[in-house]
Amino acid sequence: QTLVTQEPSFSVSPGGTVTLTCGLGSGSVSTGYYASWFQQTPGQAPRTLIYHTNSRSSGVPDRFSGSILGGKAALTITGAQADDESDYYCVLYMGRGWVFGGGTKLTVL
Amino acid sequence: VQLVESGGLVVQPGGSLRLSCAASGFTFDDFAMHWVRQAPGKGLEWVSLISGDGGSTYYADSVKGRFTISRDNSENSLFLQMNSLRPEDTALYYCAKDYVGSVAGYSMAVWGQGTTVTVSS
Repeated sequence: QTLVTQEPSFSVSPGGTVTLTCGLGSGSVSTGYYASWFQQTPGQAPRTLIYHTNSRSSGVPDRFSGSILGGKAALTITGAQADDESDYYCVLYMGRGWVFGGGTKLTVL
Repeated sequence: VQLVESGGLVVQPGGSLRLSCAASGFTFDDFAMHWVRQAPGKGLEWVSLISGDGGSTYYADSVKGRFTISRDNSENSLFLQMNSLRPEDTALYYCAKDYVGSVAGYSMAVWGQGTTVTVSS
């Protein structure tokens, strides 16, 4: 099965900007992979942030944005807040199904 | 929009289980539906997808041939029949609503709270 890679962990200062990435073990991510991003806090169901690379899901603040950067899907959080401290997962469409990345644990400190 | 999963149990290896997801608050047959699972302390794993009309289904390699996704649009319900269960199938199973009715790559829009499956002797 295709490997989808994410940084295991990342930290950001309150008010700062952070970019998390989602890559392929082999090859580059393009818009054709329809990258989506999800936020999950402990004990909670995931919440969809971004779909189709850069479309924000309903109710998601514009501090969250999606893009393609350097052959990877990217999630950028600007003006980081304490409650952004969560696990973030990306998923890529492989034509006949989806593959999640391993997730990034984001710390805000 | 509300998704409520049920049917999670403790089952022995080799056993079978059927999960259900009751949907409300939207026109059920207009949207494809997913099952996604999360093993204890681990990340998310996509399991299966079914189109809004039930005519197209996709599976992860890890469950292909053992799991079957289906839906009853008259009852606004999604199902996952799980056979030949293995300890590695132990997880919290989420159902999720897609953005569209086809299997066209829009992904999971809204998630339920999940139901727990434990495979152990």
